[in-house]
Amino acid sequence: QSVLTQPPSVSAAPGQKVTISCSGSRSNIGSNYVSWYQHLPGTAPRLLIYDNNQRPSGIPARFSGSKSGTSATLDITGLQTGDEADYYCGTWDSSLSAGLVFGGGTKVTVL
Amino acid sequence: EVQLVESGGGLVQPGGSLRLSCAASGFSVIDKYMNWVRQAPGKGLDWVAVIYTGGSTFYSDSVNGRFSISRDNSKNTLYLQMDSLRVDDTAVYYCARLAYSSGYYYDSWGPGTLVTVSS
Repeated sequence: QSVLTQPPSVSAAPGQKVTISCSGSRSNIGSNYVSWYQHLPGTAPRLLIYDNNQRPSGIPARFSGSKSGTSATLDITGLQTGDEADYYCGTWDSSLSAGLVFGGGTKVTVL
Repeated sequence: EVQLVESGGGLVQPGGSLRLSCAASGFSVIDKYMNWVRQAPGKGLDWVAVIYTGGSTFYSDSVNGRFSISRDNSKNTLYLQMDSLRVDDTAVYYCARLAYSSGYYYDSWGPGTLVTVSS
């Protein structure tokens, strides 16, 4: 069972928007910054968002992140077929020893 | 360009051992907090171990006492020695580089290596 809670799946048509939620607690999301990762099975996970809402170079502006209280959100606008993947949120947990904690992942399906 | 490439995975019997390697390029492993993260079949990402720049190591409760993380600075390679392997250690193992800005995040990952523990 993952420390952070994400919906198992979301879907939308090409060009539409999907929103992925990530719920935690005061010891993790509530007091630390959130990052988001895109993962296609068999490949290296890719960093999409760090520090709640910052995009690394090369990540399109279609991907955006936000945080409020003990929850975070990843929005993907202008959905493309290439966006079909698993998405994970991650953050530090002040009550644990080391390493990031993650959500269980959300499968994005482009209809 | 930063690159991480894992190797060493395979099929091993319960109770056996395996050593994973992660060859790094584009940076020095001694200069970063290097991690192992795994993904069991059908499950999410799960942090396993970290080695700090100063050499301190930390482990998740599920592998503490059985796994050991280390690095070879001359080869710029990260390792994970896995002993007393159990069926529930079956997973794809990724090495990941920890970065810090305002918060912590993994900015580079390898493609992973599959470890299967089965009799």
